[in-house]
Amino acid sequence: EVQLVESGGALVQPGGSLRLSCEGFGFTFSNYWMTWVRQVPGKGLEWVANIKQDGTEKYYVDSVKGRFTISRDNAKNTLYLQMSSLRAEDTAMYYCARDRSIFDYWGQGTLVTVSS
Amino acid sequence: SYELTQPPSVSVSPGQTARITCSGDALPKKYAYWYQQKSGQAPVLVIYEDSRRPSGISGRFSGSTSGTMATLTISGAQVEDEADYYCYSTDSSDTHPYWVFGGGTKLTVL
Repeated sequence: EVQLVESGGALVQPGGSLRLSCEGFGFTFSNYWMTWVRQVPGKGLEWVANIKQDGTEKYYVDSVKGRFTISRDNAKNTLYLQMSSLRAEDTAMYYCARDRSIFDYWGQGTLVTVSS
Repeated sequence: SYELTQPPSVSVSPGQTARITCSGDALPKKYAYWYQQKSGQAPVLVIYEDSRRPSGISGRFSGSTSGTMATLTISGAQVEDEADYYCYSTDSSDTHPYWVFGGGTKLTVL
């Protein structure tokens, strides 16, 4: 059974850093693009970043460029999102998704709260 | 940047047909995808590549496109179809591809 399990969400102060993880189970992780999507509580979905199977291509939404870094470790079947210079507007539930042009599997999400 | 525009809300009575639209300049050349999100849950794909339905998704759901508009149609909407619906698509510039969700449409069935 395919599963994605996110972790790492926490309460962090503005300007702080956090690293999210997403571990994949039940599929060949290295065969798929992977994507992070976030959702401010009560608001809509926002595509955040994605990464190619071998990590050679990465793309970001403009609002996180230079502050967030997406990466992966295929040996550990794990996707990461390193977030720095965090702002209040980064407060959201962060989901990882398996990406084959469609997001066919999603994790349950991990909540990031940026507040003093 | 690229934007997809959806109506904030649509309301129908049970058994009626609900139509949710999504407009975007690149839709004539890029596929539209539709996700359903019920309260407290992760999104679920209900339509891909404009009009294709994943296995396990009710036949009440269908998709279509015309020019710069994609439409999700729910025929004979049921109370369990009440959810937020998001369109999703892509675009590309000379330097950067874009992936974007629409703002979402809250479907009320009552």
